[in-house]
Amino acid sequence: KAGVTQTPRYLIKTRGQQVTLSCSPISGHRSVSWYQQTPGQGLQFLFEYFSETQRNKGNFPGRFSGRQFSNSRSEMNVSTLELGDSALYLCASSFGSNRYNEQFFGPGTRLTVL
Amino acid sequence: KNEVEQSPQNLTAQEGEFITINCSYSVGISALHWLQQHPGGGIVSLFMLSSGKKKHGRLIATINIQEKHSSLHITASHPRDSAVYICAVGAAGNKLTFGGGTRVLVKP
Repeated sequence: KAGVTQTPRYLIKTRGQQVTLSCSPISGHRSVSWYQQTPGQGLQFLFEYFSETQRNKGNFPGRFSGRQFSNSRSEMNVSTLELGDSALYLCASSFGSNRYNEQFFGPGTRLTVL
Repeated sequence: KNEVEQSPQNLTAQEGEFITINCSYSVGISALHWLQQHPGGGIVSLFMLSSGKKKHGRLIATINIQEKHSSLHITASHPRDSAVYICAVGAAGNKLTFGGGTRVLVKP
């Protein structure tokens, strides 16, 4: 089976712009979670989608949003980019959304905001 | 105080040595995950456990639910084990809360 894929892998934007990142889960997986990793804050949970519905949300401002499509692919959007949004954005897929799911991580999208 | 604490933050070992990384958490959890992250960012899930002990090759993970503590052991360490090891706890659904990571360097 193909692993989790994320596009693009690298992205450079300027402050005030918006960005959309894409994640394709492992075939058959219905849950996609998004995480942000920065040197200062480490890994933090953004949100989780399961069957096109947001199931959980982390403590991020409303500028961060996401959605999931019927084929389980997911996108996250960050509007009005700030310098502090520079980070590695990781998505992870799992089969279900209960409490005992192994998560499979994608390679990440490295976003630089200038 | 962070919900998930890892120690040590950095660890240097000689090839062949036994390595232990500790993780303590303060919240109720359903499962604890050990993850490995190599330079470049890719994360691999090593273990997911909710009780007892699991072993995979030279890696062993244990968890004590009563004490809210888990350990990851690497036996006969090798330079290819050099990576950042991250403990994460899961409570609601797939929402994970992460420790700060332990950077491991194994010298030949």
